[in-house]
Amino acid sequence: AQSVAQPEDQVNVAEGNPLTVKCTYSVSGNPYLFWYVQYPNRGLQFLLKYITGDNLVKGSYGFEAEFNKSQTSFHLKKPSALVSDSALYFCAVRENGGFKTIFGAGTRLFVKA
Amino acid sequence: KAGVTQTPRYLIKTRGQQVTLSCSPISGHRSVSWYQQTPGQGLQFLFEYFSETQRNKGNFPGRFSGRQFSNSRSEMNVSTLELGDSALYLCASSLEAGETDTQYFGPGTRLTVL
Repeated sequence: AQSVAQPEDQVNVAEGNPLTVKCTYSVSGNPYLFWYVQYPNRGLQFLLKYITGDNLVKGSYGFEAEFNKSQTSFHLKKPSALVSDSALYFCAVRENGGFKTIFGAGTRLFVKA
Repeated sequence: KAGVTQTPRYLIKTRGQQVTLSCSPISGHRSVSWYQQTPGQGLQFLFEYFSETQRNKGNFPGRFSGRQFSNSRSEMNVSTLELGDSALYLCASSLEAGETDTQYFGPGTRLTVL
């Protein structure tokens, strides 16, 4: 069965510093991986996805994620954090041939000015 | 292009009642999925509909049901409400139902059960 783990409930980073939000996954086939962000009282917004090809995926708002097959990870990164990046981030996985998207529990990111 | 819309945005019900939530997908999208979001459990998959057919279902009791209409609009029904059903219910649409499709989420319906 497919699963997603976001090991950190919360990540704190100072504005201007690089940020990383971690995600590991487990699927039986090829994984399709997604990152979403949720701002207060809003639905989830799509950031980026990995389907195949280059392991480094670039997405919205300057975010990028690195797919690492051997470590079954898909960490979200940004070189320089902004206060406005403070939000709840979700990693999600779907497996090849699967129709169900499994989401991680979410990681709350706080960026301090 | 308009995004995913969900109605109503807020609902207050009492235990034992039933509720119907509505979701209108992005124009041209044929797949609609429903999720329950709670602080303790994160985002839990309820079900997915494509071309009026339920293609997948999560681990929720039979009190949770849904349907999709020919115009791809979807409704979710919860009968015999329990306090634990209080949550944000999110609907997501995608063009098709393939595993690589991006899902686009609506703002959610916040259900409070008293």
